[in-house]
Amino acid sequence: QSVLTQPPSVSGAPGQRVTISCTGSSSNIGAGYDVHWYQQLPGTAPKLLIYGNSNRPSGVPDRFSGSKSGTSASLAITGLQAEDEADYYCQSYDSSLSGLYVFGTGTKVTVL
Amino acid sequence: EVQLVQSGAEVKKPGESLKISCKGSGYSFTSYWIGWVRQMPGKGLEWMGIIYPGDSDTRYSPSFQGQVTISADKSISTAYLQWSSLKASDTAMYYCVRRVYYYGSGSYQYYFDYWGQGTLVTVSS
Repeated sequence: QSVLTQPPSVSGAPGQRVTISCTGSSSNIGAGYDVHWYQQLPGTAPKLLIYGNSNRPSGVPDRFSGSKSGTSASLAITGLQAEDEADYYCQSYDSSLSGLYVFGTGTKVTVL
Repeated sequence: EVQLVQSGAEVKKPGESLKISCKGSGYSFTSYWIGWVRQMPGKGLEWMGIIYPGDSDTRYSPSFQGQVTISADKSISTAYLQWSSLKASDTAMYYCVRRVYYYGSGSYQYYFDYWGQGTLVTVSS
């Protein structure tokens, strides 16, 4: 059972901005652990998209951005493109008994 | 170039045993933890466990403790995930991942920078 909660789906037209929330608790995000984001294109393995709340690995377009505040984090996609249609997962570290590395429930982004 | 290459898809019957593999290349295999992540059909990602190939130190998620065994053979840069008696509910895609860390905000922070291509395990009678 995921301890990080995300909306099941978000959608937007090409060129629009969408945001995905990731809500945790005092044993993970609220405890100061950073949030990382992964993109899973249909039929493929997940890929690192954002690390350390807001850092993009080499090759990730700057239309993807991340932020963190309190017990939550957000991923924003500006200038939405058709190839951004994918599942997105947040991930953090948890100091409770639920498990060391925790993922969010996942969000499906649909480009209208 | 860092790569994690997993073994091919498997079709097994309930009760059978299975061991899948993940071979690392392009980096020092013994210097990074390797984890396993499950994705059941149409579902999200679940962390299963992790191993440090340098000394085989292993940690498991409480949800998977006792259900699977993680091991590694550093001589061939390969990590393994195995089951002694498969169940239909083990049907899923399994990914190996490389864990990296840094120090920030007063704590060590961890994420997975490289993922294998996945191994589909189907358990059906």
